[in-house]
Amino acid sequence: EVQLVESGGGFVQPEGSLRLSCEASGFTFSDYEMNWVRQAPGKGLEWLSYISSIGSTIYYADSVKGRFTVSRDNAKNSMSLQMNSLRAEDTAVYYCAKGGRSTQLQPFDYWGQGTLVTVSS
Amino acid sequence: EIVMTQSPATLSVSPGERATLSCRASQSVSSNLAWYQQKPGQPPRLLIYGASTRATGVPARFSGSGSGTEFTLTISSLQSEDFAVYYCQQYKNWPPNTFGQGTKLEIK
Repeated sequence: EVQLVESGGGFVQPEGSLRLSCEASGFTFSDYEMNWVRQAPGKGLEWLSYISSIGSTIYYADSVKGRFTVSRDNAKNSMSLQMNSLRAEDTAVYYCAKGGRSTQLQPFDYWGQGTLVTVSS
Repeated sequence: EIVMTQSPATLSVSPGERATLSCRASQSVSSNLAWYQQKPGQPPRLLIYGASTRATGVPARFSGSGSGTEFTLTISSLQSEDFAVYYCQQYKNWPPNTFGQGTKLEIK
């Protein structure tokens, strides 16, 4: 059974930092591309970041480029999102989502339960 | 960036009736279109990919159609558990990967 478990969310002041983690199991993590998607309270889904299976290709949404950094450790079946210079508008539930196998032409077939990040003074 | 537009924003339908949700892409995405269902407090669940292929475990009352820029999700006979928010997503041309703004399917 595929499982994705996010952790690391919490309350942080503006301009602060937070590091989210996503632990994967039930599939060969190193074969698959991974993504971060967030959802602000009462809002829709916003894709944030993509990392290829071996971490050689990384993409970010313009809204987080230069502030967020995605990485993965295939030996530990995990992915991380380092979030710096946080703003109130970054308040959201953050999901990790499993992508395709060596292709971007695939939907996100499994999602974690999400971790809530609240940015407020 | 490909903009995905869903309509209507809210759809009120009675249980047992058919629901039809629409999604339009600002440029062709071929059949690289997915539909997700999200219930309150839960993550999105993949329903349809490739515009018309049901994901594993998705009931046959869910069907997707369309290609290019116009897509439809049809739920043939609404069950109580189907009332949720539905999102379309294009994965043809990204980054950025883009979602529609969602359609809330509510009980009439």
